[in-house]
Amino acid sequence: DTGVSQDPRHKITKRGQNVTFRCDPISEHNRLYWYRQTLGQGPEFLTYFQNEAQLEKSRLLSDRFSAERPKGSFSTLEIQRTEQGDSAMYLCASSLIFSRPVHTGELFFGEGSRLTVL
Amino acid sequence: AQTVTQSQPEMSVQEAETVTLSCTYDTSESNYYLFWYKQPPSRQMILVIRQEAYKQQNATENRFSVNFQKAAKSFSLKISDSQLGDTAMYFCAFMNDFGNEKLTFGTGTRLTIIP
Repeated sequence: DTGVSQDPRHKITKRGQNVTFRCDPISEHNRLYWYRQTLGQGPEFLTYFQNEAQLEKSRLLSDRFSAERPKGSFSTLEIQRTEQGDSAMYLCASSLIFSRPVHTGELFFGEGSRLTVL
Repeated sequence: AQTVTQSQPEMSVQEAETVTLSCTYDTSESNYYLFWYKQPPSRQMILVIRQEAYKQQNATENRFSVNFQKAAKSFSLKISDSQLGDTAMYFCAFMNDFGNEKLTFGTGTRLTIIP
């Protein structure tokens, strides 16, 4: 399977603990996105990378959240001192961008990592 | 900021029938892109269809077509000859032309195809 993979698929943790999610994008994709999806809502943008550079962060991404993509391949999303409000599905997506004005808008999503904070 | 509204939280239709999902959006931009994404139960989200705002012709992809009304800021999805595999959450999404390919999603419509 050469799609976007996320690990772990489900994480249960106690409030105050740190958690880390990993995303492996489609190998040739240069852009990687993190979204958060809560029950009954559509995905909300958190941040995105082009290669290893983090180009934009949403204001939803508080100081407790940090994302990295050290070698422009896989990415990690760490949440420190988790709160119950962090419970959500964390979606990773990737895409291949050549140059403007080429826009496809097709993001390839992983199956998500579901976080439950007790 | 852009907003996307899907006013139908749930819909159901008999297999082989046609169903239309509604979406409205708000933006001050003149050029942008609109999408319908499908999220099957416990599966990843996939792109169903895409529409560029500067194109007047409505996009079609096999059994899926859109009715894009730019002045009304409306973007509905029509699924013809619905199949059991069409059962999923459907999200309408907006993307501006700024080059970041950041999507703004609606809250989704849960579509159930009844055998």
